[in-house]
Amino acid sequence: DVKVTQSSRYLVKRTGEKVFLECVQDMDHENMFWYRQDPGLGLRLIYFSYDVKMKEKGDIPEGYSVSREKKERFSLILESASTNQTSMYLCASCVPGQVPGYGYTFGSGTRLTVV
Amino acid sequence: DAKTTQPNSMESNEEEPVHLPCNHSTISGTDYIHWYRQLPSQGPEYVIHGLTSNVNNRMASLAIAEDRKSSTLILHRATLRDAAVYYCILSAYGGSQGNLIFGKGTKLSVKP
Repeated sequence: DVKVTQSSRYLVKRTGEKVFLECVQDMDHENMFWYRQDPGLGLRLIYFSYDVKMKEKGDIPEGYSVSREKKERFSLILESASTNQTSMYLCASCVPGQVPGYGYTFGSGTRLTVV
Repeated sequence: DAKTTQPNSMESNEEEPVHLPCNHSTISGTDYIHWYRQLPSQGPEYVIHGLTSNVNNRMASLAIAEDRKSSTLILHRATLRDAAVYYCILSAYGGSQGNLIFGKGTKLSVKP
């Protein structure tokens, strides 16, 4: 089975810490995405990448950065964690094509708590 | 982006069919209709997609109205494992890969 693996299932960090969330996919997908999911707000796109070293801002990039040095790995970085970044973070990947939205594969998520 | 409207929640009995509706009255001619679902404590998973014709796969069927202003995801025999939040999403043919917009979806409960 194809997989998107997120390095941590649960994470607790202190305010002001630099936080790295790692995502690895084994499907050779070009496109990778980071979403956050909050009750009542659904999934919101933070950043996405369509190639190594390429990135584009999503709807809520403030307070986050990303890194994609290898095709299979996409990292989300919280430069200085704040309590309003407490959330479920979901990574996804897909093959680019003419039908955006087709066949996204998601990881199981990282539940981050900032205290 | 065209928007979708789904009921907040639905209930079903195990082994019975389930019809999950989605309204998308502002859909454009090149918008695809996708369904994803999110099981408890999991990331969303792809279910099915279509453009104009009805579609079937091993997970579900997608029935698209003739005017394309609505669609229905059909689970032929609900199981307890089908309890999840179901999202109906539109995407534009040839559009950006990054604008898959998940709404609040429909929370499906399945009773034994």
